[in-house]
Order: sequence, then C-alpha cells, then structure tokens
Amino acid sequence: GAVVSQHPSWVICKSGTSVKIECRSLDFQATTMFWYRQFPKQSLMLMATSNEGSKATYEQGVEKDKFLINHASLTLSTLTVTSAHPEDSSFYICSAQGPGLAGYEQYFGPGTRLTVT
Amino acid sequence: QKEVEQDPGPLSVPEGAIVSLNCTYSNSAFQYFMWYRQYSRKGPELLMYTYSSGNKEDGRFTAQVDKSSKYISLFIRDSQPSDSATYLCAMKRPGNTGKLIFGQGTTLQVKP
Repeated sequence: GAVVSQHPSWVICKSGTSVKIECRSLDFQATTMFWYRQFPKQSLMLMATSNEGSKATYEQGVEKDKFLINHASLTLSTLTVTSAHPEDSSFYICSAQGPGLAGYEQYFGPGTRLTVT
Repeated sequence: QKEVEQDPGPLSVPEGAIVSLNCTYSNSAFQYFMWYRQYSRKGPELLMYTYSSGNKEDGRFTAQVDKSSKYISLFIRDSQPSDSATYLCAMKRPGNTGKLIFGQGTTLQVKP
C-alpha cells in the first residue's frame, strides 16, 4: 500500500518550453501533496505544499509563477515548470500524505529527472 | 545552525556489520521522526517512523529517539550490499501542514 507514481520519469526539453510533471497516489487518497527538488548529492528541498482544491503554498524563494502546482483531485497533483531554463534542470520528487495513514509520514514518488537544453 | 544535522559520510562498512546512522536536531517542537532510504536516481522510501522517545524495531532495522538529547538513530543489523544507499532522517512538528525537515543524508556503502 501507499504507492505514489510520477510521470514522466525522465524528460528533456528545450529552453523556453514548459513541462508538466504528474504525481499520483495509486492506492490512497492524498489530501496533501508536496513537491521537492533535489540537486546531486544534496538533500530534498521543499518547493511547495498543495492541498486538494486549494492554492499551493510555496516556500520562500520559490517562484510561484514559474512552478505552477495544481491539486485538482485527491489522487493527482501536477507541477508545471514554465519557460524552463537550464538552471531548472534537476530531480523533482513529489510525496503524498493521506488521511488514512498514521497521519504524519509521507510517501514519495520515484522522481522525475528534468534536463533543459 | 541547521534545524537537523546529519553527517553526510560516506560511511563504508563490511557486509554483516552493524551500522549506526544518527541525526541531531535543535528544535524541541519536533514530535515525529522518520528515516528514509534513497537509492541513486530514485525517490526516498520510508523505512521507519516513530512518534515518541524509545526504540522501534522492524526486521534488521531499529529506530531510536532520545528527545532529551535531541538525538535520533537508525541501526541496521547484519548489513547487506543491498543496503548501500543514502539514508535521510526527517522530522515534523505537530500540526496539519505535514512539512518535513530533512537531514542532509548519509551515504552508506556496504562492501561484500
């Protein structure tokens, strides 16, 4: 149980284009999902918290107009990187926290590697 | 000062050794403690989670929390090459935000 998927697992795009990453909780409903960014050999950096049906809460320093987050259902959240640039190349990971679990642990997706050329 | 400190390693041990991974924290408000394992180019996998001080065991893994010292540990018994990964500790304050604070992660290599 508590499986989270991400799609795509790897994407290459040209500078200036937009990329959408999907995060799905497969066997539970996730009232809250989180988006992280991870650079090589570094820990996870929280970008934003999204609650189903409401606007995402962004961490300080994260551009909300660049990283658009939508959490339209209890099983799906999307992150859209708009007008991507090479410095946006990174490993993006989502996690989900559901009401049916213990309540405080998060389950992570496998991650999406974005390369902007 | 970071809220959560974790030695990044790398830590190299022979197969079968007992591994001790540790994190310290500065904020006494943390009440929930988790350990994640992350293989290269993969998302973190939840290994253990605890709420209170004391020990929690699951197979070869034991999580230990000492709130008075603000110190948590993960012990791995009979370590295997497949345990080679980065181990991240994470902590959360009470409340509904769910925001986790992560340690830097410790890279572990178990040599056959």
